Amino acid sequence: DTEVTQTPKHLVMGMTNKKSLKCEQHMGHRAMYWYKQKAKKPPELMFVYSYEKLSINESVPSRFSPECPNSSLLNLHLHALQPEDSALYLCASNQGHGRETQYFGPGTRLLVL
Amino acid sequence: AQKVTQAQTEISVVEKEDVTLDCVYETRDTTYYLFWYKQPPSGELVFLIRRNSFDEQNEISGRYSWNFQKSTSSFNFTITASQVVDSAVYFCALSEEGKAAGNKLTFGGGTRVLVKP
Repeated sequence: DTEVTQTPKHLVMGMTNKKSLKCEQHMGHRAMYWYKQKAKKPPELMFVYSYEKLSINESVPSRFSPECPNSSLLNLHLHALQPEDSALYLCASNQGHGRETQYFGPGTRLLVL
Repeated sequence: AQKVTQAQTEISVVEKEDVTLDCVYETRDTTYYLFWYKQPPSGELVFLIRRNSFDEQNEISGRYSWNFQKSTSSFNFTITASQVVDSAVYFCALSEEGKAAGNKLTFGGGTRVLVKP
């Protein structure tokens, strides 16, 4: 089973709203990732959690706040977003080593009005 | 710094034709890993193949095959007898060995493949 699930599938929010994206995997993976993908562009890494600790932060604005409550769950809390933050947000997981394939979820399509 | 280049932005073929996607990479690491992912219109990135830097054996898996040449830093991917369901964006990606603290994937710009019936 190589399934990563993400909720919601679609999200529309205003610039003053607070919302959260959720990601879950049950493959026993120790590393989980958030990527942002704009239209017609490749995914860009935002955050990496390894053993439930933040290990990589790619200088993401503080209006994006990640959280890893346990080894299977990864959240991305959103607050005071801008319209340019509209994108597809992808979650991925693997065992953490470079040789390990990252398996991706279906993504959340976010629209900020 | 790592870099992955996919020079073809879009390829259009008729069903049953073969499609070859080019990928050229740059890295200073001696141990690295190369991947191909498929992204259909639904958005999910689907893992297709992985290759490590010390194994240049080329393989075929069903309708997919790949050609890894370390001397030219290329990792090309071929779909044989294309089908309409192969229509998607295909990404080539590169990863260092790294530590067990998460690895960063460097993606190419992607190649959009359109297979017409």
